[in-house]
Amino acid sequence: KQEVTQIPAALSVPEGENLVLNCSFTDSAIYNLQWFRQDPGKGLTSLLLIQSSQREQTSGRLNASLDKSSGRSTLYIAASQPGDSATYLCAVEGGSNYKLTFGKGTLLTVNP
Amino acid sequence: EAQVTQNPRYLITVTGKKLTVTCSQNMNHEYMSWYRQDPGLGLRQIYYSMNVEVTDKGDVPEGYKVSRKEKRNFPLILESPSPNQTSLYFCASSRPGTGGVKQYFGPGTRLTVT
Repeated sequence: KQEVTQIPAALSVPEGENLVLNCSFTDSAIYNLQWFRQDPGKGLTSLLLIQSSQREQTSGRLNASLDKSSGRSTLYIAASQPGDSATYLCAVEGGSNYKLTFGKGTLLTVNP
Repeated sequence: EAQVTQNPRYLITVTGKKLTVTCSQNMNHEYMSWYRQDPGLGLRQIYYSMNVEVTDKGDVPEGYKVSRKEKRNFPLILESPSPNQTSLYFCASSRPGTGGVKQYFGPGTRLTVT
């Protein structure tokens, strides 16, 4: 059974700092890995998707990497801003039912 | 605009009163699914559908039903809701199989069962 773990559970940083969020998964037989952002009480916004054959994806200040063999992914946020404050969720898609298995998220607070 | 819509967005109901949460997507996606999100447990899949008339259980299907009569719609039915079904529910859709297609999520439905 796939399990996804995110570390740390919460992170508080001053504005402008570069930061890394970590995600690990137990079964490397995945189609892709996605990073989502969730604001309090709101829906999920897809940030980046990395296919299983890829090593990284970039969008603006965000860079996500994937090491499928070791079951790890990182989300790098450059020059953090207060507007980046949210919960970041990592999810892997796999299996015959294309299910997304989510981690429990990292709550990020960027202080002005 | 590509989107997944859910209705209602908020619902407070009483134990045992049947309810339906609707989900609709405008992207002609074959795959649709329902998740629930609970504090400390994260998001868990309830049911999924690979295409019209093809549905199957996810990880937490007890107490829920679904149907897929049309490609764009995938309603979630709670025949006799109980307080342990109080949760935030998300519908998602995608075109699976290529590995490179992201799943789109609806805005969520916050359900409270008293």
